[in-house]
Amino acid sequence: QSVLTQPPSASGTPGQRVTISCSGSSSNIGSHTVNWYQHLPGTAPKLLIYSGNQRPSGVPDRFSGSRSGTSASLAISGLQSEDEADYYCAAWDDSLNGFWVFGGGTKLTVL
Amino acid sequence: EVQLVESGGGLVQPGGSLRLSCAASGFAFSSYWMQWVRQAPGKGLVWVSLINEDGSITNYADSVRGRFTISRDNAKNTLYLQMNGLRAEDTAVYSCARDHCSSTACYRMDVWGQGTTVTVSS
Repeated sequence: QSVLTQPPSASGTPGQRVTISCSGSSSNIGSHTVNWYQHLPGTAPKLLIYSGNQRPSGVPDRFSGSRSGTSASLAISGLQSEDEADYYCAAWDDSLNGFWVFGGGTKLTVL
Repeated sequence: EVQLVESGGGLVQPGGSLRLSCAASGFAFSSYWMQWVRQAPGKGLVWVSLINEDGSITNYADSVRGRFTISRDNAKNTLYLQMNGLRAEDTAVYSCARDHCSSTACYRMDVWGQGTTVTVSS
């Protein structure tokens, strides 16, 4: 059971906007910004969003992040077929000398 | 090109040992904290261990503390994970990641390797 809670699945049609939620607690999301990763099986996870709503170079602005209290969300607008992947939220947790916690992952299907 | 390449995975019997390596290239390895993260079959990402730039700070997930040891050789640009007392539940793809950290927190794992597979089975 993951420390952060994500829905196991999400879906949308091309061009739609979809959001993926991530719920945590005061020791992680409540205290630190959330990162989002895109992961395709057999490949390295790709950092999509960091520090809440910053995108690394090369990540399109269709991807955006937000946080409120102990929850965060990833929004993908203008959904494309290549967005079909697993998405994970991650946050630093202050307990036990500090460590990373992840959500269980959300499988995004582009219909 | 900034790159991390893991190696050392394989099939091992319960109770056995393995040492994973993570070779870094394209960046100043000795300036970064490093992390190990694993993904069991059909499951999500789980943090395993961290180490700071010079190896003086380490931390472990409760599930591996006392059995796994993280270390690094900055002269060889290589990160290690020594895994002893392996259990079936340690079966996973193990990936290393570069992190940006201060003395109080870490902020983003921005470079990841593709991972090496560890299977613990008799």
